[in-house]
Amino acid sequence: KAGVTQTPRYLIKTRGQQVTLSCSPISGHRSVSWYQQTPGQGLQFLFEYFSETQRNKGNFPGRFSGRQFSNSRSEMNVSTLELGDSALYLCASKLLSKMNTEAFFGQGTRLTVV
Amino acid sequence: AQTVTQSQPEMSVQEAETVTLSCTYDTSESDYYLFWYKQPPSRQMILVIRQEAYKQQNATENRFSVNFQKAAKSFSLKISDSQLGDAAMYFCAYRSASGNQFYFGTGTSLTVIP
Repeated sequence: KAGVTQTPRYLIKTRGQQVTLSCSPISGHRSVSWYQQTPGQGLQFLFEYFSETQRNKGNFPGRFSGRQFSNSRSEMNVSTLELGDSALYLCASKLLSKMNTEAFFGQGTRLTVV
Repeated sequence: AQTVTQSQPEMSVQEAETVTLSCTYDTSESDYYLFWYKQPPSRQMILVIRQEAYKQQNATENRFSVNFQKAAKSFSLKISDSQLGDAAMYFCAYRSASGNQFYFGTGTSLTVIP
């Protein structure tokens, strides 16, 4: 069973540009969450999608957005990139059931803004 | 809001010895889950162990066990017979039973000394 796949693994962008990151969850998983990981702030929740609908959103500016497709794959977009957006972006998928508690993470996309 | 605190930024242990990583959390909820995730240099977050708050018995997974003190809101991880492969960043995480958002601590970097 394939794990959570995030592409690309590494990305270098210039300030002011926009970027799109992709996450393919484990087959059958319908919940996809995104986290930003930085040395200073640690892991911070960005948003969660389920059945193509955003269910929850963290405290990030509107430059950060996302979407989920009918096959549960998710993308997140960051517009007008700032140096502070440099981070590891992690995606986590979950089989949404009351008895299931575990989230599975991808290897992340390392975004560097220069 | 829920907060998770890991007061040990770095820890080290001799190979084959035992080490305990500390974690405290703050919540007003009664039903929740607690997790320890491991993040090796490959960056992928791997679940080490989880604990349901309603269970009084401490969770155990092979060499990994937890000491869950609900009243004290404490959730420490004990690694027995430490191995070189245990070297990684360890994150304590909280998730409400009614939601899918994880709240992470700032992590503890564990070094295993041969």
